[in-house]
Amino acid sequence: ETGVTQTPRHLVMGMTNKKSLKCEQHLGHNAMYWYKQSAKKPLELMFVYNFKEQTENNSVPSRFSPECPNSSHLFLHLHTLQPEDSALYLCASSQDGGSGANVLTFGAGSRLTVL
Amino acid sequence: GQNIDQPTEMTATEGAIVQINCTYQTSGFNGLFWYQQHAGEAPTFLSYNVLDGLEEKGRFSSFLSRSKGYSYLLLKELQMKDSASYLCAVRDSNYQLIWGAGTKLIIKP
Repeated sequence: ETGVTQTPRHLVMGMTNKKSLKCEQHLGHNAMYWYKQSAKKPLELMFVYNFKEQTENNSVPSRFSPECPNSSHLFLHLHTLQPEDSALYLCASSQDGGSGANVLTFGAGSRLTVL
Repeated sequence: GQNIDQPTEMTATEGAIVQINCTYQTSGFNGLFWYQQHAGEAPTFLSYNVLDGLEEKGRFSSFLSRSKGYSYLLLKELQMKDSASYLCAVRDSNYQLIWGAGTKLIIKP
């Protein structure tokens, strides 16, 4: 496989459930990102990992918990979510988190619905 | 605060030319990106401008004026497959990406 792969593509969960989103990149990149995309709103950066170290946490509620076991895999653990958390969650990777052109390669996203 | 403005939606005709504008107010500037996102798919990189002027890539061109805080994406010879959302993003002085809300482009036959 090539590029950035996200699973599951669709997820419906209740507010008391625990679930995880998975992201895998096969590009040899060293930085990985979680973004939230809501309709008609700008992309919201949630977390950044650079060389497996978390370098960014944009005041994300603790019900979202990221995990980066290696530079190819990124998880987003979900617990006691709210209906307003329903959105498309996009994973992205880039060569590194530095100052070059740093083009992002995105996955197709996980569409989350919280009931 | 930091802000990126782009039109919410535009409509154009197959075979025509369309220009999607993006204006920005950010803390510093370290490059401007355009991404294309088809419905239900991943955003994909289109162009990167860091110096003033026009960058051409086939049917797509991107222009930047740093003094005006302005960019546009120009799409020529429109095809139905160009129906998508176009996202503008600016990297600020801290190398953080600031995103616009995207422009949904509808192509009609």
